[in-house]
Amino acid sequence: ETGVTQTPRHLVMGMTNKKSLKCEQHLGHNAMYWYKQSAKKPLELMFVYSLEERVENNSVPSRFSPECPNSSHLFLHLHTLQPEDSALYLCASSLRGRLKEAFFGQGTRLTVV
Amino acid sequence: GDSVTQMEGPVTLSEEAFLTINCTYTATGYPSLFWYVQYPGEGLQLLLKATKADDKGSNKGFEATYRKETTSFHLEKGSVQVSDSAVYFCALSLYSSASKIIFGSGTRLSIRP
Repeated sequence: ETGVTQTPRHLVMGMTNKKSLKCEQHLGHNAMYWYKQSAKKPLELMFVYSLEERVENNSVPSRFSPECPNSSHLFLHLHTLQPEDSALYLCASSLRGRLKEAFFGQGTRLTVV
Repeated sequence: GDSVTQMEGPVTLSEEAFLTINCTYTATGYPSLFWYVQYPGEGLQLLLKATKADDKGSNKGFEATYRKETTSFHLEKGSVQVSDSAVYFCALSLYSSASKIIFGSGTRLSIRP
């Protein structure tokens, strides 16, 4: 238990569906991240929120839409996904600053059919 | 740009063997360095960290030393156990306008009894 909780743990969705992934932390952190982990690929940083402001968007397609309503919650809204978007989506949080490590949730295993 | 390169796996060793997983980095600033471990079906967990040159991080028998001159942070363990089987990620953290954590591609380690 790292203090970062992701729901759901598993999600199967069709290409025309809309769904959301949720991440919650109560560690007092002020930076939150979404990563994508695909088989045989490096961990990809998708979005970074710092003090609830999006500060990084690594050329992620617009079918992924993040939202950070407060420092404890982070969402990833999904719509019209493609089968190649199937992956493990990991949320992490940290304190701002280079000295601070990230704490990860257990991930949401997403399958797009 | 900023990046982390680690040795490709899979690495297969016998129990009680000596382990080295190589990691080198490229960074525009002065990063902190981390090793994370991912057990099957779980998110990433921090294994150890080092925040300045010549620092040695250690945990659970694993060690890594921050070598600025060779831009390296190799992970070592003197005697591995079956329970060490996992995927290991080297990472760096930089701070400009926000925290940015960049991961290597991961090295899968399998330990034979």
